[in-house]
Amino acid sequence: DAKTTQPNSMESNEEEPVHLPCNHSTISGTDYIHWYRQLPSQGPEYVIHGLTSNVNNRMASLAIAEDRKSSTLILHRATLRDAAVYYCIPLVLGAQKLVFGQGTRLTINP
Amino acid sequence: DAGVIQSPRHEVTEMGQEVTLRCKPISGHNSLFWYRQTMMRGLELLIYFNNNVPIDDSGMPEDRFSAKMPNASFSTLKIQPSEPRDSAVYFCASSLDGRGANQPQHFGDGTRLSIL
Repeated sequence: DAKTTQPNSMESNEEEPVHLPCNHSTISGTDYIHWYRQLPSQGPEYVIHGLTSNVNNRMASLAIAEDRKSSTLILHRATLRDAAVYYCIPLVLGAQKLVFGQGTRLTINP
Repeated sequence: DAGVIQSPRHEVTEMGQEVTLRCKPISGHNSLFWYRQTMMRGLELLIYFNNNVPIDDSGMPEDRFSAKMPNASFSTLKIQPSEPRDSAVYFCASSLDGRGANQPQHFGDGTRLSIL
């Protein structure tokens, strides 16, 4: 499994953009980058995933470096509800075993 | 649409007792996963099923833990006998069959288990 490195915690203000980084320098060419988040007292929630090009959905954007050794999850306008632990998880196409690291605890200030 | 439903939400029991956790996956999903979350070890995959068949149980801690999926709409995780170190939040998740594609996993709200 590819090893990931994320900051333990980050803090931002409501209605401002948030950029959550993830280093995955040992990623293989067939690993997709998945992001999940876990709100307090809830189960994890899928956010987004991608392989090489940048991806957008209603929740967030995912920017993947050209060498694929890092990626950034972008929340365009953070709300208080975005306060959660965010996990970056490399996953081979078709694989089903999610390996959760420690993630980044995101705090949003009103 | 109903999400993944887990029961009970909370369970407190004494060491040595049998504990059964239950999960109803999202209708139509054919992959089911059991995870455990503790402060020390974070979120760990215990076992997962495809089409009711266990595929990988390498994360099951020991023989005291067993999981079954008798049909597509129900799964159980059983601990017998329970020990204080089994105290954790247990999550169930389901997805469409991920083979050949990356299908998001949908998690339930978990069962908070305390073994006294």
